[in-house]
Amino acid sequence: GAVVSQHPSWVICKSGTSVKIECRSLDFQATTMFWYRQFPKQSLMLMATSNEGSKATYEQGVEKDKFLINHASLTLSTLTVTSAHPEDSSFYICSARRPSTGKIWLYEQYFGPGTRLTVT
Amino acid sequence: SQQGEEDPQALSIQEGENATMNCSYKTSINNLQWYRQNSGRGLVHLILIRSNEREKHSGRLRVTLDTSKKSSSLLITASRAADTASYFCARPDQGGSEKLVFGKGTKLTVNP
Repeated sequence: GAVVSQHPSWVICKSGTSVKIECRSLDFQATTMFWYRQFPKQSLMLMATSNEGSKATYEQGVEKDKFLINHASLTLSTLTVTSAHPEDSSFYICSARRPSTGKIWLYEQYFGPGTRLTVT
Repeated sequence: SQQGEEDPQALSIQEGENATMNCSYKTSINNLQWYRQNSGRGLVHLILIRSNEREKHSGRLRVTLDTSKKSSSLLITASRAADTASYFCARPDQGGSEKLVFGKGTKLTVNP
């Protein structure tokens, strides 16, 4: 199956610093990647849709200047949490969309293993 | 976008028993997906069921979809301790959108 990796798997940073998280599709090209945030014991909340070669589309309530997304190639999207604060501590998960084959256009999302961010 | 509702929120069963999780939604969909998440890990895609399908099987998994009731269920038969995880349903946002809206999830614990 399709593989999506994330790096780092966990990171601890001090308040006020910036942290970059990478999401890579290892065996397929992903024109679209998604970034989610998950708080403990809660569901995934979509933060933004990352499109290769264009600006990301952010969900309502997500600060685009705080969560910078870059999708410079078909296999890599990055999320940078700028000026991190303790309330940004969370589990960040990316996914990549891979069109399925067949007559009907369907899609599946393949998820990375997640990145645990702790801001102290 | 409204999240789907899953019930139960938590389910604890013994190995060998069947586990049924339900998901309801409010908008029209063209497909619904089920994912599994082990604690502290990413999600694994289990099954995608299209709106014109009523039932789909994959190994010990059986998914049903009732578009008239806007509900879906995931059945895991002959459960194993390794099935312990959280299970989420997800639907496309606003009909055929590529964005997914996840339900709140069911935390399944299978006791050996």
